[in-house]
Amino acid sequence: QKEVEQNSGPLSVPEGAIASLNCTYSDRVSQSFFWYRQYSGKSPELIMSIYSNGDKEDGRFTAQLNKASQYVSLLIRDSQPSDSATYLCAVNSGSGSTLGRLYFGRGTQLTVWP
Amino acid sequence: DAGITQSPRHKVTETGTPVTLRCHQTENHRYMYWYRQDPGHGLRLIHYSYGVKDTDKGEVSDGYSVSRSKTEDFLLTLESATSSQTSVYFCAISSSAAGYTFGSGTRLTVV
Repeated sequence: QKEVEQNSGPLSVPEGAIASLNCTYSDRVSQSFFWYRQYSGKSPELIMSIYSNGDKEDGRFTAQLNKASQYVSLLIRDSQPSDSATYLCAVNSGSGSTLGRLYFGRGTQLTVWP
Repeated sequence: DAGITQSPRHKVTETGTPVTLRCHQTENHRYMYWYRQDPGHGLRLIHYSYGVKDTDKGEVSDGYSVSRSKTEDFLLTLESATSSQTSVYFCAISSSAAGYTFGSGTRLTVV
């Protein structure tokens, strides 16, 4: 069973702060890593993908990957109330017929207060 | 999302009745997935498809069956609905070993 664990929430930060979301995974051969944002009552929306060790930045979002430690994180700089949502970590461990299959963490609920 | 639609959006059904949920895509993607989402459990894979008539089970497939007779349609059937199948069901599509695009979801209540 492939496990994806996220830091337990909820996480609450003030507007303008940095929000840090963490995720660990059990399958060492995992190749692709994703962060989804899910607003209450809505479907998950892909916000970041990362495939190589290091940092990947997209606007206020930075994804960090460390395959040796089996760890992936998402930093949200200058957090806004509109960032309040549940963030899902997903890991692809595709091989053969499971190509493209994602395993999801349970999510971390983030609240950004004004 | 415009490329993937789920129907119905909401459904209430009685225990023991069969229920079919539909996922339709216009993206011609090879991979399609059915997940359920429950509080405390996150997203759990029910079944997935990697091509027409090619399907496989996920972690929580008991009580569910699927069919994919066309690239664009992936049907999920609850053979005899139970209260434990009350959930939000999401369909997702993918063109490769990449991130998914999710449908808007179906909220199913079994009474």
